[in-house]
Amino acid sequence: QKEVEQDPGPLSVPEGAIVSLNCTYSNSAFQYFMWYRQYSRKGPELLMYTYSSGNKEDGRFTAQVDKSSKYISLFIRDSQPSDSATYLCAMSRPSSGTYKYIFGTGTRLKVLA
Amino acid sequence: DVKVTQSSRYLVKRTGEKVFLECVQDMDHENMFWYRQDPGLGLRLIYFSYDVKMKEKGDIPEGYSVSREKKERFSLILESASTNQTSMYLCASSRTENGYTFGSGTRLTVV
Repeated sequence: QKEVEQDPGPLSVPEGAIVSLNCTYSNSAFQYFMWYRQYSRKGPELLMYTYSSGNKEDGRFTAQVDKSSKYISLFIRDSQPSDSATYLCAMSRPSSGTYKYIFGTGTRLKVLA
Repeated sequence: DVKVTQSSRYLVKRTGEKVFLECVQDMDHENMFWYRQDPGLGLRLIYFSYDVKMKEKGDIPEGYSVSREKKERFSLILESASTNQTSMYLCASSRTENGYTFGSGTRLTVV
């Protein structure tokens, strides 16, 4: 079993839809949770960062962490064609000060105009 | 704007060649990482470094080595390139737990 599981998609939605992207994980020691966005042929860029449980909102994006269920989500409101990308979740537990992240395989999102 | 710069966007090398991939960051970060990214497999950690001249193996170090002589530079070396090392290579750096900054990636093709 992989430590981090993520549905690869592709997920196609119409413009303006609310998008829900999810990851599950098996290691209860994970404390730091991130979402990255990766456009085609580019490196991933950090979108959202959450420590431990709870919600975090930034504009149209909301990240949720449910540690009891070992489940994290990224919601995108009013989705735009420019949101079309691959979304990667990543998580880590502190280890000797080196923050080594485990990544999901990514979900490919297409927002249709 | 903070940056991680990878020296090449695209590389084509022959089987058996020694290949150097260079990564430079301008953020004074202690930690640097090399990942490869393949369809269906996601990002897999090859090596990382938490200080100058320090390195640790990641999940798939076989066939690779690294060098970190200066804090800002982290090099990945393919000792004898093989076709199964054709991949997208991503360098990243971080100071704290607040996530990585990635470079734009190097797409390496070994023929």
